[in-house]
Amino acid sequence: AQTVTQSQPEMSVQEAETVTLSCTYDTSESDYYLFWYKQPPSRQMILVIRQEAYKQQNATENRFSVNFQKAAKSFSLKISDSQLGDAAMYFCAYRSASVNGGSQGNLIFGKGTKLSVKP
Amino acid sequence: EAGVAQSPRYKIIEKRQSVAFWCNPISGHATLYWYQQILGQGPKLLIQFQNNGVVDDSQLPKDRFSAERLKGVDSTLKIQPAKLEDSAVYLCASSSREFGNTIYFGEGSWLTVV
Repeated sequence: AQTVTQSQPEMSVQEAETVTLSCTYDTSESDYYLFWYKQPPSRQMILVIRQEAYKQQNATENRFSVNFQKAAKSFSLKISDSQLGDAAMYFCAYRSASVNGGSQGNLIFGKGTKLSVKP
Repeated sequence: EAGVAQSPRYKIIEKRQSVAFWCNPISGHATLYWYQQILGQGPKLLIQFQNNGVVDDSQLPKDRFSAERLKGVDSTLKIQPAKLEDSAVYLCASSSREFGNTIYFGEGSWLTVV
């Protein structure tokens, strides 16, 4: 079974600075997807960034980028120029690309990292 | 494009009562998921549908939880009878292989059992 581990329960960053959130995962599959979701107090899960395992190039979305190390099974999120609106819970998630019953796998989440941004 | 719609947003019930949550996925998304998120934890899958068929319900407490997606579009999740430990946010999500495989979430339904 696949597992996702986020070892930092809480992180803090100064506004305009850079912060990196860590995530490791365990799987025996070769084809899968990795995601970072942001969850503000409203509890809606908002997609931040996704990475396909077959792509060597690290994904980037504006101020958000990942460091994907497939051999090490590591998937960290870097937030540059942190803003007050970035404060939230961040969840790392794994999704198998294998098809079962016509659909791909569900998301397996880590326990989350609470990010605080100081003005 | 409209997102995943859920209702009600908030519900408070007494233990042993019943409750039902409704979800309408993004148009054209064949796969629908119900997740349970207890405070301080990551979401956990309860059930996954592909059209109107169940793909995975291995973590659904079937003695008290039930879910259906009769016409392959919207879905209902029911809890009867509720227990105190069912207090959580119930997140509905949907995805489509034809639209990039990303899973999109609704705003969630908050349940408090007292």
